[in-house]
Amino acid sequence: EPEVTQTPSHQVTQMGQEVILRCVPISNHLYFYWYRQILGQKVEFLVSFYNNEISEKSEIFDDQFSVERPDGSNFTLKIRSTKLEDSAMYFCASSPRQGTNTGELFFGEGSRLTVL
Amino acid sequence: GDSVTQMEGPVTLSEEAFLTINCTYTATGYPSLFWYVQYPGEGLQLLLKATKADDKGSNKGFEATYRKETTSFHLEKGSVQVSDSAVYFCALSDQGAGNMLTFGGGTRLMVKP
Repeated sequence: EPEVTQTPSHQVTQMGQEVILRCVPISNHLYFYWYRQILGQKVEFLVSFYNNEISEKSEIFDDQFSVERPDGSNFTLKIRSTKLEDSAMYFCASSPRQGTNTGELFFGEGSRLTVL
Repeated sequence: GDSVTQMEGPVTLSEEAFLTINCTYTATGYPSLFWYVQYPGEGLQLLLKATKADDKGSNKGFEATYRKETTSFHLEKGSVQVSDSAVYFCALSDQGAGNMLTFGGGTRLMVKP
């Protein structure tokens, strides 16, 4: 069964360093997302991406964050200068179409980011 | 803004016990409601959904009914199994928000044999 894959599963970095989290969405999906979950808190929406551009983003997704689909398969989240509060589990998701009644996003296993 | 509140865990049950995980929501429009489940070491996956009031979503013995009057979408299962041990997330998708989901905090369920 097709699945969303994320790498790395866990990354430890120093504050101020750049981090890139990678995702391979399901191949025929058109919409891509990043969510994050800080330990003990809710899963929060960061950004959605369609047709090679950001379609929606939350307040969390500030200038330190960027997303890119550099080729036909990968979808990346870059954090330019990490802060302690960026420590979280980051989930990539994809869906075949957009529609408020579908809501079925296919999630990866997550990438745990620890900023020291 | 939209929000989802679900009961805090962990919830610990014996096998074959009855499960209820409460979920209530606030939304400006007429949202669709979902339960996602995350098994250990896996990503979140859709368990069930309901798109309008009084709809009942069901899957794998789990069910939840969209109650507009109480703004609730409680998850129930009549007889849990050890394999149901996971984290359960209630979520909503509001009209006009595309596929953006607003999640509750998650409830960890542990089922003991």
